[in-house]
Amino acid sequence: GDSVTQTEGLVTLTEGLPVMLNCTYQSTYSPFLFWYVQHLNEAPKLLLKSFTDNKRPEHQGFHATLHKSSSSFHLQKSSAQLSDSALYYCALSERNYGSSGNKLIFGIGTLLSVKP
Amino acid sequence: EAAVTQSPRNKVAVTGGKVTLSCNQTNNHNNMYWYRQDTGHGLRLIHYSYGAGSTEKGDIPDGYKASRPSQENFSLILELATPSQTSVYFCASGDAASGDGNTLYFGEGSRLIVV
Repeated sequence: GDSVTQTEGLVTLTEGLPVMLNCTYQSTYSPFLFWYVQHLNEAPKLLLKSFTDNKRPEHQGFHATLHKSSSSFHLQKSSAQLSDSALYYCALSERNYGSSGNKLIFGIGTLLSVKP
Repeated sequence: EAAVTQSPRNKVAVTGGKVTLSCNQTNNHNNMYWYRQDTGHGLRLIHYSYGAGSTEKGDIPDGYKASRPSQENFSLILELATPSQTSVYFCASGDAASGDGNTLYFGEGSRLIVV
């Protein structure tokens, strides 16, 4: 079945350094990919999602590129900020809107901790 | 702004008791979901619904029931609560008909402790 893999449980960075959070996936069909962010004691909310064309989604300085050849959708940012400290989830949704096509499948999450 | 509200926000239940978690959305979305969040497991899908009157099993449905009496409301029911069901539960709504995926809007979460 479909799955999402986030290999790092915790990433600790110094403010100003680049961020890269890994996400790979397995899917029967060509899926939509998402990054959700959850700050402490808050609800998860959408950070960015893959487009149907080849545009690279960007939001709040974060960007991610969908690479179908390697089944990856890594999240990147050029310079980490203290406020980026949060739990980040990669997720996928199938494009085939059949009986299971409306499910969003999440990875286990990566906790990003940015230090001064 | 999308609005999903959950109640109760915090609940302590006894083993063997019945627990109902409620969710209301004002987004007019067809799809609603219940996830539980646990460290090391991320967000796991329990039940979901395509519309009023429908419920579908997610990836971990055992021990849970769901009810979707209307477009706006989706409940998660634990008939016989167990300590293993201690978790944070998130409700979400989404509209897959948008054509660009299935963006979900989450509620603030319900923290359940079963003692």
